Amino acid sequence: DAGVIQSPRHEVTEMGQEVTLRCKPISGHDYLFWYRQTMMRGLELLIYFNNNVPIDDSGMPEDRFSAKMPNASFSTLKIQPSEPRDSAVYFCASSGGDRGKGKRVEKLFFGSGTQLSVL
Amino acid sequence: DAKTTQPPSMDCAEGRAANLPCNHSTISGNEYVYWYRQIHSQGPQYIIHGLKNNETNEMASLIITEDRKSSTLILPHATLRDTAVYYCIVRGRNDYKLSFGAGTTVTVRA
Repeated sequence: DAGVIQSPRHEVTEMGQEVTLRCKPISGHDYLFWYRQTMMRGLELLIYFNNNVPIDDSGMPEDRFSAKMPNASFSTLKIQPSEPRDSAVYFCASSGGDRGKGKRVEKLFFGSGTQLSVL
Repeated sequence: DAKTTQPPSMDCAEGRAANLPCNHSTISGNEYVYWYRQIHSQGPQYIIHGLKNNETNEMASLIITEDRKSSTLILPHATLRDTAVYYCIVRGRNDYKLSFGAGTTVTVRA
């Protein structure tokens, strides 16, 4: 498996523009997470899905942010309109609950991230 | 609310064991200790996890104290490629979220 795939790897846009980040989780995984990382705030969980259904979006900063998971192999994180303070690295991760010692083990696999710069 | 406390940074000599401490004094009985690391410009990577017994895998060993209030991640033979930020995370059994703190920046020196 190629792992979690994110695109684009880098995105530079101007304030006010719409930005869409994409994620393809590992096949068979039933949880998908979106994180944001900045120097000031570290790694923050934005939202996560279970079986394509959003479970907890309490980390989404404001209404400008939205996330969807139309099927088990694809998710998007959209920012509209984008602002300079949205500049960060956005990570997608998936988890399949490996069966270790008979119990489900939550091991997150992260993508390489999308470096977003909003000018 | 911080569930874990880690030193902000530490150095280690290449080829020596690196012992990374983590305090989690408020851990409850059904919470696991997870360790992840993040190499520069990459996404975090799972290392190991445990409940109350010591654990070992191909990457590291995890030693959890008997009272479970602290743990130590051991990298047995550190290499330059182990230079990374190491995160100690406490996670409930039915909690699918992982909350990352500031972690420990480990620098392995030749």
